[in-house]
Amino acid sequence: GQQVMQIPQYQHVQEGEDFTTYCNSSTTLSNIQWYKQRPGGHPVFLIQLVKSGEVKKQKRLTFQFGEAKKNSSLHITATQTTDVGTYFCAGPPSGNTGKLIFGQGTTLQVKP
Amino acid sequence: NAGVTQTPKFQVLKTGQSMTLQCAQDMNHEYMSWYRQDPGMGLRLIHYSVGAGITDQGEVPNGYNVSRSTTEDFPLRLLSAAPSQTSVYFCASSYSRQSYGYTFGSGTRLTVV
Repeated sequence: GQQVMQIPQYQHVQEGEDFTTYCNSSTTLSNIQWYKQRPGGHPVFLIQLVKSGEVKKQKRLTFQFGEAKKNSSLHITATQTTDVGTYFCAGPPSGNTGKLIFGQGTTLQVKP
Repeated sequence: NAGVTQTPKFQVLKTGQSMTLQCAQDMNHEYMSWYRQDPGMGLRLIHYSVGAGITDQGEVPNGYNVSRSTTEDFPLRLLSAAPSQTSVYFCASSYSRQSYGYTFGSGTRLTVV
């Protein structure tokens, strides 16, 4: 079945440093979605990318969707303590948009 | 507009007991899903539904049943609880076009002893 892998599992950075998490799917995705989960909370939707090669920005966050629609990345510029949490990528396989499969997540710790 | 409501928030079960986790959404979303979250394992899909009367298995369906008789409700049944089912369970819903992603409930923390 479809697998979505995310690396790294954990990342500790100093406040102000950049951070990147990578996501790879074993199958072509219909779209890629990114979520953030704060400690003790539930996942919150950040963004969706649909087109091959698409790049979207939200303030200090940059999201990319690969040309083959099998990989994606999230880059945070100049991290802040408010960025702490676990970032998940998720995607439904082509032809089955109701089946959203998540990666294992990358937990970001930011030292002030 | 309450979003996705899960009940109960906490539950302790004895091995072999059965129970139903409730999930309701008031956003008229077509898609609904159940996930379990365990440390280091991310969110694993248990069952999902693309509309009333339609359900399908996810990645880890064994030991769980679902039904979707209405658009609003998507209960998850544990048939005979086992310690391996100790986890945090999340229900989530979305429009079929998914432009706004999935909305998650606040979760149910289940412990099976």
